[in-house]
Amino acid sequence: QSALTQPRSVSGSPGQSVTISCIGTSSDVGGYNYVSWYQQHPGKAPKFMIYDVTKRPSGVPDRFSGSKSGNTASLTISGLQAEDEADYYCCSYVGSYIFAFGTGTKVTVL
Amino acid sequence: QLQLQESGPGLVKPSETLSLTCTVSGGSISSSAYYWGWIRQPPGKGLEWIGSIFFSGDTYYNPSLKSRVTISIDTSKNQFSLKLNSVTAADTAVYYCARHSPPPGTWRWFDPWGQGTLVTVSS
Repeated sequence: QSALTQPRSVSGSPGQSVTISCIGTSSDVGGYNYVSWYQQHPGKAPKFMIYDVTKRPSGVPDRFSGSKSGNTASLTISGLQAEDEADYYCCSYVGSYIFAFGTGTKVTVL
Repeated sequence: QLQLQESGPGLVKPSETLSLTCTVSGGSISSSAYYWGWIRQPPGKGLEWIGSIFFSGDTYYNPSLKSRVTISIDTSKNQFSLKLNSVTAADTAVYYCARHSPPPGTWRWFDPWGQGTLVTVSS
C-alpha cells in the first residue's frame, strides 16, 4: 500500500492555528474511521495524539483536534506553542490487517 | 504502566539477517487479546509499518516486506521478535516496537511505543 500524503511542512506563530492534511483514498482514510496521529520530537519515539479521527487520549491538550472529510483527515493545532514544534504523522487502517502511515509533516513555530 | 524495550545488534552486514527483540514489562504479553507491532523509520524519513503479531501467534505483514519478514512471540519471556532477511543499506533505520489498540477494534492505533533502536546495515 502507498503512504498517505501529508504536506512536507507547515508553520505558524505562537498562538496561531495550523492544520495538517493527510490525504488517502476511499480504501484507507475514506473507508475507515481509524485514523490516528503521532507527534515526534527529534530523537524521540512517536507520541500518540489522536485516535479514531477525532478523539484525544488522556493527557493530550485540547488544542489538538482531528477531523475527516472524504478521503482527507486533518490535524489542527490551535493556540500554537513552542513545544508543538515537531514532526507529525497520520496513520490509517487500510483493511486486510494492514496499516499505512503518512509521509510526515514538520511543524515550525515561528 | 506498560513499557516496551527493543534490543539487538546495532550493525548488520548486507545480505545477512536483522534480528531484534521487544521485551514487554509492566504487563503480560498474553493477558489480553492485543496485537504487537514493529514499525521502522529510516534516518530523516517517515514511519513504515513492518508487521504485527497477535498474542496467539497470528501474523500480518506489510506486503512490501512480506517476503523477507518473520515476526514471532515468546509468551514465556514476555517478548516478541523481528527477523528481516537479505538486508541492504535501505533497511538502515530506527526500529520501534509498539502495542496495538485494545479490543474491540485492535487495528486502530499504536500505544505505547518502545524508545527505538538504530540498526545500520553496512559491511
